[in-house]
Amino acid sequence: EVKLVESGGGLVQPGGSLRLSCLASGFTFSDYKMHWVRQAPGKGLEWISYISPTSSPILYADSVKGRFSISRDNAKSSLYLQMSSLRAEDTAVYFCVREVCDYPCYFDCWGQGTPVTVSS
Amino acid sequence: QSVLTQPPSASGTPGRRVTISCSGSGSNLGNHAVHWYQQVPGTAPKLLVHSNNQRPSGVTDRFSGSKSGTSASLAISGLQSEDEADYYCAAWDDILDAWLFGGGTKLTVL
Repeated sequence: EVKLVESGGGLVQPGGSLRLSCLASGFTFSDYKMHWVRQAPGKGLEWISYISPTSSPILYADSVKGRFSISRDNAKSSLYLQMSSLRAEDTAVYFCVREVCDYPCYFDCWGQGTPVTVSS
Repeated sequence: QSVLTQPPSASGTPGRRVTISCSGSGSNLGNHAVHWYQQVPGTAPKLLVHSNNQRPSGVTDRFSGSKSGTSASLAISGLQSEDEADYYCAAWDDILDAWLFGGGTKLTVL
């Protein structure tokens, strides 16, 4: 069974940092493109970052560019999101998402999400 | 304001058919496939239709998708109470170099 399990969310003060993790199982992690998508309370889905199987290329949404850093460890089947200079508007549930490419490509598997609250 | 535009809400009675639209532009829906996700509040999104009109295994054929030019739609036939959820369209955008989601449509089964 394909499974993505996020962890690391919590309460952080504005300007602070947090590192999210996503542990993958049930598939060969190193073969897949991975993403982070977030959802602010009561709002829609927002794509924020992408990483290729080899860690290059990497893409970010403008809203997080320069503040967030995506990485992966294929040996540990893990995806990470290092978040810094956090703002109130970063408060959201963060989902780890797998992309599959049958050409076209699409998101086929989502984790359950980990909540991040940025507040003093 | 999302680049992919969806109506904020839709509704229908059990057994009826409802459609949800998704409008984009040449750099996203005009060049790329659209995908649809269903999200029951408090849970993770679930892939419903991919590549414009393909259903993953396990998704009922009551859900169908289509795309023409820069517009797409999701149709749900034989509406059931369990279909109450939020529905999102998604596509890649060449100009923004980013994945886009529509703003979401909340479906109510009356």
